Amino acid sequence: DTAVSQTPKYLVTQMGNDKSIKCEQNLGHDTMYWYKQDSKKFLKIMFSYNNKELIINETVPNRFSPKSPDKAHLNLHINSLELGDSAVYFCASSRHTYRDRVTEAFFGQGTRLTVV
Amino acid sequence: KNEVEQSPQNLTAQEGEFITINCSYSVGISALHWLQQHPGGGIVSLFMLSSGKKKHGRLIATINIQEKHSSLHITASHPRDSAVYICAVLAYNTDKLIFGTGTRLQVFP
Repeated sequence: DTAVSQTPKYLVTQMGNDKSIKCEQNLGHDTMYWYKQDSKKFLKIMFSYNNKELIINETVPNRFSPKSPDKAHLNLHINSLELGDSAVYFCASSRHTYRDRVTEAFFGQGTRLTVV
Repeated sequence: KNEVEQSPQNLTAQEGEFITINCSYSVGISALHWLQQHPGGGIVSLFMLSSGKKKHGRLIATINIQEKHSSLHITASHPRDSAVYICAVLAYNTDKLIFGTGTRLQVFP
């Protein structure tokens, strides 16, 4: 069984469209994250949710909005897609927030978003 | 300058060689992760450590908190070890992982 699963794996869309990437974890973890990996393979955190509450919101355009309907899901919705949004987006989860107790992070397989 | 630096950026080796990848960081940390990104793109957590040394199979990770440095060693390297290895630190008193730029390893038979 996949621990952290993202859908879709590939997403090609036109500029200006709105799209969502879904993430689900079946590990019973309290904390979920979204990371962006750019064309140079550099990973950077975007958002983090703990028990459905937003705890990290990096300097990400307002067009990006995470939504956590429950602890097992953290979806990423992107409005008015731009060419520069093309990247690989990774979802991850950990049992606790790092502040409570340092725990290992589990990553999804990534979603390769291409904006044309 | 990136808060987490890795060296080398690229590494090629012959099967069986001993590999070392280094990570230096400039911030106070609660923990350090070593991650492996497969050629297909998926990321796997290899180690999480905050002191000393950890071993898993042919992989060994060490950290020196005073020197702000960590190393990942691979003994008896194998072509299936070919991947990008990423060092990531958990900045102290935050929930943010800060990533290094990765080290691309290719092991040839």
